[in-house]
Amino acid sequence: GENVEQHPSTLSVQEGDSAVIKCTYSDSASNYFPWYKQELGKRPQLIIDIRSNVGEKKDQRIAVTLNKTAKHFSLHITETQPEDSAVYFCAANRYNNNDMRFGAGTRLTVKP
Amino acid sequence: DADVTQTPRNRITKTGKRIMLECSQTKGHDRMYWYRQDPGLGLRLIYYSFDVKDINKGEISDGYSVSRQAQAKFSLSLESAIPNQTALYFCATSDPSWTSGSTSDTQYFGPGTRLTVL
Repeated sequence: GENVEQHPSTLSVQEGDSAVIKCTYSDSASNYFPWYKQELGKRPQLIIDIRSNVGEKKDQRIAVTLNKTAKHFSLHITETQPEDSAVYFCAANRYNNNDMRFGAGTRLTVKP
Repeated sequence: DADVTQTPRNRITKTGKRIMLECSQTKGHDRMYWYRQDPGLGLRLIYYSFDVKDINKGEISDGYSVSRQAQAKFSLSLESAIPNQTALYFCATSDPSWTSGSTSDTQYFGPGTRLTVL
């Protein structure tokens, strides 16, 4: 089955700096890669996703890149703000197989 | 997302007890899921259901069972709870879309149930 690894497990940045979180996956047939943000005590919520037919997607301060050859994808947050502090999860899924696999999470702390 | 609700929100029980966690949704989605979250392990899929007649095991189904009573309701049972089932449990729903040969399947999570097994 699919295996998703996420790094780093914790990340601390100064407000205004950029943050990058990386994930690798094992199943070359995976073709959907979402990112979820979970604030303390809250439920995970989708912030951005990318499909295998594109290499990059951007939404304001967040962007995701996908390298299918290397089987890795990354979340980029620019101009970080204290409210970006949360745990971020990557995930991978394969078409017609709904066994979504999540990474272990990255705890991002943005210091004001 | 108030469209996905879970009861109870917190539960403390003893080893060997039977426990049922319930999930309801008003999003009209056919697909529903149960995940458990443990520190450092992320979210792991327990069971999922594509419709009321469909039940599938996920990554960690041992020790759990589910029932899809209706499109809107999906319950998770622990027949005989054990301490290592102490975790945060999330229900989720989705409504997948297919475009250009690729699928997207956003998961909409409930607020979670914190279960402690003593």
